[in-house]
Amino acid sequence: DTAVSQTPKYLVTQMGNDKSIKCEQNLGHDTMYWYKQDSKKFLKIMFSYNNKELIINETVPNRFSPKSPDKAHLNLHINSLELGDSAVYFCASSPRPGHFHGYTFGSGTRLTVV
Amino acid sequence: TQLLEQSPQFLSIQEGENLTVYCNSSSVFSSLQWYRQEPGEGPVLLVTVVTGGEVKKLKRLTFQFGDARKDSSLHITAAQTGDTGLYLCAGDAGNNRKLIWGLGTSLAVNP
Repeated sequence: DTAVSQTPKYLVTQMGNDKSIKCEQNLGHDTMYWYKQDSKKFLKIMFSYNNKELIINETVPNRFSPKSPDKAHLNLHINSLELGDSAVYFCASSPRPGHFHGYTFGSGTRLTVV
Repeated sequence: TQLLEQSPQFLSIQEGENLTVYCNSSSVFSSLQWYRQEPGEGPVLLVTVVTGGEVKKLKRLTFQFGDARKDSSLHITAAQTGDTGLYLCAGDAGNNRKLIWGLGTSLAVNP
């Protein structure tokens, strides 16, 4: 059983398109996250939700919009894709806000904008 | 801005060798985590250290948290090819918000 699953694994799309990435966790965790990992492998937090409520909203273009229909799901919608959006996007979850117990990450979605 | 510096950035060694990688900051952290990331996968939590001076062992991996809780090290004994990956440290500043991540040490263990 996959603990944190994201789809799709790979996404190749043209500039200007709109795309979504889906994430689901079956761990019963309250908190979920979206991270962006750039070509230099730096992990940058984008958003965090705790039990469907937005608790972290970093400086991210408003073309990125997260949605959490329930605490087991956190989706990411991106409008008007740009070349600079190309990266690997990771979903993660933790039992609650705060970091003592660590995060469980999905296997990532590699987004390529051409 | 809080930063975590990891060194070395790249490390290539032969199977059986020992190695140490470092994670340093000028800031104090309430806890610090180490993750390993393999190609095409997400980071996987290895350990969380909380107390200054704490040492934790995970088979051949030994993690240490500095006395002042500003730095940490990871020592691998008798490295194996399965240890290959990107080792990331992440610090919790204690404000219950975002983790502070390092850039990682990319380790290649050659047969």
